[in-house]
Amino acid sequence: GAVVSQHPSRVICKSGTSVKIECRSLDFQATTMFWYRQFPKQSLMLMATSNEGSKATYEQGVEKDKFLINHASLTLSTLTVTSAHPEDSSFYICSARGIGGFDTQYFGPGTRLTVL
Amino acid sequence: AQSVTQPDIHITVSEGASLELRCNYSYGATPYLFWYVQSPGQGLQLLLKYFSGDTLVQGIKGFEAEFKRSQSSFNLRKPSVHWSDAAEYFCAVAEGGKLIFGQGTELSVKP
Repeated sequence: GAVVSQHPSRVICKSGTSVKIECRSLDFQATTMFWYRQFPKQSLMLMATSNEGSKATYEQGVEKDKFLINHASLTLSTLTVTSAHPEDSSFYICSARGIGGFDTQYFGPGTRLTVL
Repeated sequence: AQSVTQPDIHITVSEGASLELRCNYSYGATPYLFWYVQSPGQGLQLLLKYFSGDTLVQGIKGFEAEFKRSQSSFNLRKPSVHWSDAAEYFCAVAEGGKLIFGQGTELSVKP
């Protein structure tokens, strides 16, 4: 099946620094990409939806200036956590969807962010 | 807004035993429902989905789920669990092109 990769898989940073997470669809073109945040033993919470070449649409309560999303091509989306704080520590998951809708939506393996 | 509830946070079953994971949804019309499995180091994998038609849907890895409108449920079942089925399972409903996930059920399998 289709593969979605995320890089890095794990990152540790100091408070106040910025961290970029990449999400790539490896063998299909992703017209839409989604970013989720998952706390331990909890559900995936949708942070934002992005379409290639357009500004991301953020869910209520998600700070767009803190979580910068760029969807520059049909195979790459990036999430930048700016001025990270310990409360931003979490598991971030991206998902890419092709033109086939839900049948062509695949998830990346996630990125564990730890902010010291 | 739609919501999904998975009442069981953690379930332990013996290998070879049957399994049922519960999922309840709230939605006025016929929902689009999904079950995903999350294993460590891997992305969520779609097990099966229901859009319309036959209310008993077959998925991968021997899983099936039954849509029951009267109970607002979409429970996942497997007749005989294998040790490799140990993972986190998420039920989800589609809303406006987005997936809304339940809290997840962690499945442990004992020998």
